[in-house]
Amino acid sequence: QKEVEQNSGPLSVPEGAIASLNCTYSDRGSQSFFWYRQYSGKSPELIMSIYSNGDKEDGRFTAQLNKASQYVSLLIRDSQPSDSATYLCAVRVGGGSYIPTFGRGTSLIVHP
Amino acid sequence: DADVTQTPRNRITKTGKRIMLECSQTKGHDRMYWYRQDPGLGLRLIYYSFDVKDINKGEISDGYSVSRQAQAKFSLSLESAIPNQTALYFCATSDPSGDTQYFGPGTRLTVL
Repeated sequence: QKEVEQNSGPLSVPEGAIASLNCTYSDRGSQSFFWYRQYSGKSPELIMSIYSNGDKEDGRFTAQLNKASQYVSLLIRDSQPSDSATYLCAVRVGGGSYIPTFGRGTSLIVHP
Repeated sequence: DADVTQTPRNRITKTGKRIMLECSQTKGHDRMYWYRQDPGLGLRLIYYSFDVKDINKGEISDGYSVSRQAQAKFSLSLESAIPNQTALYFCATSDPSGDTQYFGPGTRLTVL
């Protein structure tokens, strides 16, 4: 059973702060890792993907992967109220059906 | 125009009724998926299809069936709806790597 765990939150941060979202996974064969953002009432959209250990930066977003510890995180710098959403972590093992397993999501609230 | 469309967007039905949710995509992808999302439970895979002749069960297929009418169309049916099938349903597509899931806008289904 592949498991992807996230704290459901809500995580509340002030505008301009760094928001840190964490995700752990159980399958050591996992090779691909994704962060989706889902605004209330909308569908998820991919914002970051990471495949190797270390950091990957894209604008205000940084994904961090540590395969030895089986966790992946998303940092949002200079958080804005428009970043308020639910962030879904998704993990895919190598080979097989190539279908990611989604975590339950973390709700982020950025308050002015 | 949206790449992945779903109809209807909202549906209220009664216990025991048969209903069909439809999904169409213009991305040209072979892979299509049906997920349901419940508060606190994240996205769970119901069925997936890798091409017109390929249908596979996901983790929660009981009570559901699907039909892949064409590369662009993938329908989800509830043969006899029950109240615990009340949820938000998403259709998605992906390229063969599965790295990016492109979601439709969702169908909010309520079973009374």
